[in-house]
Amino acid sequence: QKEVEQNSGPLSVPEGAIASLNCTYSDRGSQSFFWYRQYSGKSPELIMFIYSNGDKEDGRFTAQLNKASQYVSLLIRDSQPSDSATYLCAVNYDGTASKLTFGTGTRLQVTL
Amino acid sequence: GAVVSQHPSRVICKSGTSVKIECRSLDFQATTMFWYRQFPKQSLMLMATSNEGSKATYEQGVEKDKFLINHASLTLSTLTVTSAHPEDSSFYICSASAGRSTEAFFGQGTRLTVV
Repeated sequence: QKEVEQNSGPLSVPEGAIASLNCTYSDRGSQSFFWYRQYSGKSPELIMFIYSNGDKEDGRFTAQLNKASQYVSLLIRDSQPSDSATYLCAVNYDGTASKLTFGTGTRLQVTL
Repeated sequence: GAVVSQHPSRVICKSGTSVKIECRSLDFQATTMFWYRQFPKQSLMLMATSNEGSKATYEQGVEKDKFLINHASLTLSTLTVTSAHPEDSSFYICSASAGRSTEAFFGQGTRLTVV
């Protein structure tokens, strides 16, 4: 059973701080990794994806991948109240970028 | 990004009836569509994968006779929940992809409530 694990939270950070979200996965053959944001009652929206070990930055967001440790993280700099949402980690196992296995998500609360 | 439209956004139906949910790719041809289900405070669980013109592939534990999927064109896939029961109440989400290795785009989701 391929698994994607996330701490459910809530993770509470003050406005302007860095939020760090973590995800581990079970299959070493995993090929690509995605972070989605989901507001309550809404569909997930893609934040970013990463394929290679190391860091990938996009605006306030940085994804970090460590395949040896089977670990992927998302850093959100200068957190805003509008970042408050559930963040879903998703992993692609079978080579099709579009077929994903999701973690249970981490709820982030950015406080004023 | 590409647009995927899902309809209806909310539906309430009586137990024992069937409900059809549509997923349309508006500005690209979707060779593959995925159907997910999400229960409250849980993650998205893949139900099935459908490729245009062929039968859907269902994930383990998903009843193919209960959740009928049709992907008759490159822009439309439908999910029909047959003989719905209260335990089928959930958030159903589709995603569509233009090819095997391309990004999938999500629809807005459908909140199904069976009473």
